[in-house]
Amino acid sequence: GAVVSQHPSWVICKSGTSVKIECRSLDFQATTMFWYRQFPKQSLMLMATSNEGSKATYEQGVEKDKFLINHASLTLSTLTVTSAHPEDSSFYICSATEAGTEAFFGQGTRLTVV
Amino acid sequence: DAKTTQPTSMDCAEGRAANLPCNHSTISGNEYVYWYRQIHSQGPQYIIHGLKNNETNEMASLIITEDRKSSTLILPHATLRDTAVYYCIVRVARGYQKVTFGTGTKLQVIP
Repeated sequence: GAVVSQHPSWVICKSGTSVKIECRSLDFQATTMFWYRQFPKQSLMLMATSNEGSKATYEQGVEKDKFLINHASLTLSTLTVTSAHPEDSSFYICSATEAGTEAFFGQGTRLTVV
Repeated sequence: DAKTTQPTSMDCAEGRAANLPCNHSTISGNEYVYWYRQIHSQGPQYIIHGLKNNETNEMASLIITEDRKSSTLILPHATLRDTAVYYCIVRVARGYQKVTFGTGTKLQVIP
């Protein structure tokens, strides 16, 4: 299957700082990318959908000014958690899809805010 | 997207077939059934999908009932590495359609 690479795999940051997570589609052009957040023992919760060259569409309850999403090219989307706080500590996962049917997922980023 | 219902957890003996059921009684005619799994602390992995015919690939088989209201994912010879949370999702097969996850089934393969 197609490969989606997410970087970094884990990151620890101080409260108040910003963290950027990258999501790359390695062997296909991702017209649409999705960002999810997952808390321990819970399912994945969709945060936002981004289409290349357009503004992201955020799910209800997700602060767009806190979670900045950029999808500037067909192979790269970034999620920036701004002014991170301990409650933002979570597992962040991206997904990418071409015009086809399946969505492929990155390996996830474990964010810990201290 | 139509809602799905899956058992919370299941056990399966190593080497045996694991049969994971999913109910999707409100599925629409243009919605596919997708299966993903998530091994602990990893991103979800695509397994298989189908519309109305049974499907098989190197990982699993998907059996969809004739009325399409339910399906079963079959792992023919479960191994310890198949221990994961398995998600059944129904969605229209267009790239921009978001994938929404339910609670899934926690499959524990027992030695």
